[in-house]
Amino acid sequence: GNSVTQMEGPVTLSEEAFLTINCTYTATGYPSLFWYVQYPGEGLQLLLKATKADDKGSNKGFEATYRKETTSFHLEKGSVQVSDSAVYFCALTTEAGGTSYGKLTFGQGTILTVHP
Amino acid sequence: GAVVSQHPSWVICKSGTSVKIECRSLDFQATTMFWYRQFPKQSLMLMATSNEGSKATYEQGVEKDKFLINHASLTLSTLTVTSAHPEDSSFYICSARSWDGEAFFGQGTRLTVV
Repeated sequence: GNSVTQMEGPVTLSEEAFLTINCTYTATGYPSLFWYVQYPGEGLQLLLKATKADDKGSNKGFEATYRKETTSFHLEKGSVQVSDSAVYFCALTTEAGGTSYGKLTFGQGTILTVHP
Repeated sequence: GAVVSQHPSWVICKSGTSVKIECRSLDFQATTMFWYRQFPKQSLMLMATSNEGSKATYEQGVEKDKFLINHASLTLSTLTVTSAHPEDSSFYICSARSWDGEAFFGQGTRLTVV
């Protein structure tokens, strides 16, 4: 079956620090990979995605590269802000064609807190 | 992005009663909706896939008689937790899939059974 493993949290950083949240996966088939973010009191929002090997997803200064050889999709940001404080979820889908990404397998989530 | 509204945001109910949670896509039609459950400090676990006008498909280990799902229209799916017990206390999240395949999530419902 499919599974996603994220680095344990919580992660606490000072503003402008570099962020890495590790994510590795196992999948039957060829997955599409996602990072979702959940701000306090809100629903999950798609942050970025990658649908094939070596693709780099990016959004709001965050990046993640689909590494098939290491089955990883680590999230990075060069300089975090207080407003980045949220819960981050790595996820994948192996639905047909990878274009239909409602049925997702999630990691356990990583709580990020950024201090001024 | 598109908006998915989940109601209520939180609910407390007595053991043995039933609770209904609504998931609405406000500005798009969703032929498919998904229901997830999240335990503290754990990932979201898919419970069932709901297709408009047909029976829901439940994941292995999910009791379909316990968690009744109805998807009567292209903008509304409901999850009813029947005869709730304290072990059903959890955070329930829905998502709705738009025409281009992207899923949009509701804000979740915190259910506490006492």
